[in-house]
Amino acid sequence: LAKTTQPISMDSYEGQEVNITCSHNNIATNDYITWYQQFPSQGPRFIIQGYKTKVTNEVASLFIPADRKSSTLSLPRVSLSDTAVYYCLVGGYGSSNTGKLIFGQGTTLQVKP
Amino acid sequence: SAVISQKPSRDICQRGTSLTIQCQVDSQVTMMFWYRQQPGQSLTLIATANQGSEATYESGFVIDKFPISRPNLTFSTLTVSNMSPEDSSIYLCSVEAVGEATNEKLFFGSGTQLSVL
Repeated sequence: LAKTTQPISMDSYEGQEVNITCSHNNIATNDYITWYQQFPSQGPRFIIQGYKTKVTNEVASLFIPADRKSSTLSLPRVSLSDTAVYYCLVGGYGSSNTGKLIFGQGTTLQVKP
Repeated sequence: SAVISQKPSRDICQRGTSLTIQCQVDSQVTMMFWYRQQPGQSLTLIATANQGSEATYESGFVIDKFPISRPNLTFSTLTVSNMSPEDSSIYLCSVEAVGEATNEKLFFGSGTQLSVL
C-alpha cells in the first residue's frame, strides 16, 4: 500500500490559488490518486481523482508528473469556505482494494480574509 | 453518488454500556466500511462490512469490541461495546461508488460523534 506524505498545514488568503503537494514514492502501477476534503463534523467528500497528467473539474485541478511519485491539488481562488482538511489517498482500482485506502495525516488548509 | 444516513448523529454514553450505530444507503452497494476518527486525528479503518458474512477487521480491532452486522446491500450497523472514554470518537460509515467509471471513490456519512463519560 502506497504511503502518502503531505504538509500538515497551510495558510492562504481569499482569492489566492492554493497548491497542496502529496508525495507517494511507492505508488503501484494500478494505483489511482484521489483527494478528499473534510469539514469539521462532516465525513470526507470526494474532490478529484486522477491517474496521470492533469485532471480538472469544477472544483479543482490535479497535476500528476510522469513518474507519478507525487501529485498536486490546485484550488483556484480559494474562499473562506475552503478552510478544511485535505487528504491525498493512493490505492489500486477494483472493489477488492477499496477498503484498504489508508488516510494519512491530511493537510489542514486555513484560508484567511 | 450515494446518499448515506447515519444514526445517531451524536450520543453521550456511560462507560461500560454499548451503542449501536446505524448506516443506511439509498442504493445497493457492494462495499461498506466503518472508520473511526479520534479527536484531531485522521481516519482509521475499523472493518469492512460484508453482506451475509462476518466483517473483516483491521489490525487492532476485534469483533467482540466492534460487532458489525450487514443484513443486506443497503444497511449496516456498528456496535461499540463495553465503552470506555478512549472510545470517544467520530464513527463514520463509508461506501464505494457503484455503477460509475471510477476507482476507489468513497462516499461517507456525516458520522456519529460519540462521547463516553
